[in-house]
Amino acid sequence: GAVVSQHPSWVICKSGTSVKIECRSLDFQATTMFWYRQFPKQSLMLMATSNEGSKATYEQGVEKDKFLINHASLTLSTLTVTSAHPEDSSFYICSARAAQGVVINEQFFGPGTRLTVL
Amino acid sequence: GDSVTQMEGPVTLSEEAFLTINCTYTATGYPSLFWYVQYPGEGLQLLLKATKADDKGSNKGFEATYRKETTSFHLEKGSVQVSDSAVYFCALRGRTSGSRLTFGEGTQLTVNP
Repeated sequence: GAVVSQHPSWVICKSGTSVKIECRSLDFQATTMFWYRQFPKQSLMLMATSNEGSKATYEQGVEKDKFLINHASLTLSTLTVTSAHPEDSSFYICSARAAQGVVINEQFFGPGTRLTVL
Repeated sequence: GDSVTQMEGPVTLSEEAFLTINCTYTATGYPSLFWYVQYPGEGLQLLLKATKADDKGSNKGFEATYRKETTSFHLEKGSVQVSDSAVYFCALRGRTSGSRLTFGEGTQLTVNP
């Protein structure tokens, strides 16, 4: 149990286009989902925290108009990278926190999405 | 604020060698402590955790003990395998931070046959 999926697993896009990444909790409800960015050989950087039905909370230095987050249901959050540029190329990882159950407060991580902007 | 410091990598070992990856933390109160593992091209998987002082987390031959007096949570394994090659992240969750995690820098482990 507690499986989180991401789609797509990798995407290549042209500079200036927008890319949407989906994060789904497959077998549990997640009131909170987190979006991280990971540069090569570096740690995870928390970008934002999204709560179902409300606006996401962005970390300092993360542009909310560039990285649009929507958490429309208890099993789905999306991250849209708008007007992508090569510097947005990175590995994006989501995690989900269970709303109930014995592992409440635990974060379960998705497999990540590799974004390459040409 | 909360922070986690891991021993710098990369670490290269021969199969069956003993592994230690050091992790120390700074936090207010008594956080929960975690080790995550990331295999190439994948997301993070929880390896083990400990939620209070002197707790020992263990999984797949890996162990780590929550040491409040030294604010440490070092990861150990008695005999590593090639399949253990991955990046290991130490993390903490503060008592007042909800489910927010603070990660260390990660340590790359390579195990050679």
